[in-house]
Amino acid sequence: AQSVTQLDSQVPVFEEAPVELRCNYSSSVSVYLFWYVQYPNQGLQLLLKYLSGSTLVKGINGFEAEFNKSQTSFHLRKPSVHISDTAEYFCAVSEGNFNKFYFGSGTKLNVKP
Amino acid sequence: DTAVSQTPKYLVTQMGNDKSIKCEQNLGHDTMYWYKQDSKKFLKIMFSYNNKELIINETVPNRFSPKSPDKAHLNLHINSLELGDSAVYFCASSQEWSLYNEQFFGPGTRLTVL
Repeated sequence: AQSVTQLDSQVPVFEEAPVELRCNYSSSVSVYLFWYVQYPNQGLQLLLKYLSGSTLVKGINGFEAEFNKSQTSFHLRKPSVHISDTAEYFCAVSEGNFNKFYFGSGTKLNVKP
Repeated sequence: DTAVSQTPKYLVTQMGNDKSIKCEQNLGHDTMYWYKQDSKKFLKIMFSYNNKELIINETVPNRFSPKSPDKAHLNLHINSLELGDSAVYFCASSQEWSLYNEQFFGPGTRLTVL
């Protein structure tokens, strides 16, 4: 069965520090991988996605993620966070062949001054 | 101009009532979705329509009925509301039917059932 696990429900970090938000998935078929961000009281917006090709994907706002097939992971990273990065981050997985789309439970990133 | 809009933004109602949430997208997209986000922020896809045709219908009580009068609109009607229906409902759209396309989300409708 398909599942998406975000290991950390909350990640506190100081401004200008690096951050990594973890995402693991389980699937026996090829998948597409996404990270979405949800700012307070808003809908989700796409940060980045992996479809194929280079395993290092760069997204908006200085975020990047690396697809690791052997570890079934798609961790999100940013070398230096800003206060404005405070938000909820969702990892998502799509099994295109089976018309399935799953979100993880989200990680709340709290950037402190 | 708002790309994906939902009305109302907040909806408070009594158990047993019937209510509707409307969604419109002005992006010219072919595909629209409804998601439910519970109090723990867990997001689950409920329905997906492509050119007014139902594509995804997850395990959702049949009290929930989506309606797509045209490809720019996907409304959600809920009959006999229950306490467990309290959640934030998000509408989204994507350019075409493909789960690797970016989805654009509306601002959400916070439904509270008393």
